[in-house]
Amino acid sequence: KAGVTQTPRYLIKTRGQQVTLSCSPISGHRSVSWYQQTPGQGLQFLFEYFSETQRNKGNFPGRFSGRQFSNSRSEMNVSTLELGDSALYLCASSSTPSGGMYEQYFGPGTRLTVT
Amino acid sequence: AQTVTQSQPEMSVQEAETVTLSCTYDTSESDYYLFWYKQPPSRQMILVIRQEAYKQQNATENRFSVNFQKAAKSFSLKISDSQLGDAAMYFCAGYIIQGAQKLVFGQGTRLTINP
Repeated sequence: KAGVTQTPRYLIKTRGQQVTLSCSPISGHRSVSWYQQTPGQGLQFLFEYFSETQRNKGNFPGRFSGRQFSNSRSEMNVSTLELGDSALYLCASSSTPSGGMYEQYFGPGTRLTVT
Repeated sequence: AQTVTQSQPEMSVQEAETVTLSCTYDTSESDYYLFWYKQPPSRQMILVIRQEAYKQQNATENRFSVNFQKAAKSFSLKISDSQLGDAAMYFCAGYIIQGAQKLVFGQGTRLTINP
């Protein structure tokens, strides 16, 4: 099976702009989670989607949003970019939202730089 | 709530030797999973090993094994016969099944393998 894919891999944006990142989960996986990784804060949970519904959300401002499509592909959007949004954004997919094993498989990440 | 603590920012080991990475996991929940992830310089997060909290038997995956001491809140990773390809950041993570259903990560341990 193909792994989790994320596009684009690298992105440079200017403060105040908005950005959309895309994630395609492993075939058959219906749960998609997003994480932000920075040197200062480490890995932090953004949100999780299952069957097009946001089930959980981390402690991030409303500028961070996401959605999931019927084919389980997910996008996250960050509006009004700030310098502090520069980070590696990781997407992970999982086959079960509850019960069973909770292994999450990660994509290669999108490196966002805000100037 | 859950907290994951990795107290060793950096570790180094000679090739072919054994190394143990430490992690403490604190939660009032009884039903959870613990994971070790590896992040090499490519930044791809790779699942190394998982442990179900209800299982008394420690998990093993080839050269990787864990020592899970539930009462002591300890979840260490042992890497035997270290190889150059094991060099990476290692993250300990917990997942509460009935809780927020998100991975909570430790700060990571950078492992260097000396040839």
